[in-house]
Amino acid sequence: KQEVTQIPAALSVPEGENLVLNCSFTDSAIYNLQWFRQDPGKGLTSLLLIQSSQREQTSGRLNASLDKSSGRSTLYIAASQPGDSATYLCAVKGGYSGGSNYKLTFGKGTLLTVNP
Amino acid sequence: DGGITQSPKYLFRKEGQNVTLSCEQNLNHDAMYWYRQDPGQGLRLIYYSQIVNDFQKGDIAEGYSVSREKKESFPLTVTSAQKNPTAFYLCASTSTSTANYGYTFGSGTRLTVV
Repeated sequence: KQEVTQIPAALSVPEGENLVLNCSFTDSAIYNLQWFRQDPGKGLTSLLLIQSSQREQTSGRLNASLDKSSGRSTLYIAASQPGDSATYLCAVKGGYSGGSNYKLTFGKGTLLTVNP
Repeated sequence: DGGITQSPKYLFRKEGQNVTLSCEQNLNHDAMYWYRQDPGQGLRLIYYSQIVNDFQKGDIAEGYSVSREKKESFPLTVTSAQKNPTAFYLCASTSTSTANYGYTFGSGTRLTVV
């Protein structure tokens, strides 16, 4: 059974700092890994999608890496801003789970606070 | 713009009442999902559907029902059999044409029992 762990559970940093969020998964047989952002009381916004054959993806100040063999991904946020404050979730898309459905397994998230 | 629309944003349910949460997508995705989110527990899968008129139970389907009469729509009914329905409900969709697609989520419905 796939398990996804995100460390730390919460992180507080001053504005302007570079930071790294970690995600680990137990089964390396994945198709892709997706990082999401969730603001309080809101839905999930997709930030980056990394295919299993890729090593990293970049979007603006965000960079996500994937090391499938070791079951790890990191989300790097450069020059953090107060507007980056949110919960960040990683999810891995794994193998079939009955009825040819791809199973999406989430971590519990990292709550990021960027202080002005 | 393509996306997923969930309604209502807030919903209040009385004891013994059934309520239905709406989920509509215009992304032409064939697979749709319902998740429940509780504090400290992460997201848990309730039901999913890969094609019209077919759906499968997820990890916590008891007390819930769904239908998939149209590709664009996947409503979730929270029945009176669901003993603890207060939660945040999220709808998602993806394409199953290849395994490479990611998932798109709606903005959620917060259900409260009164």
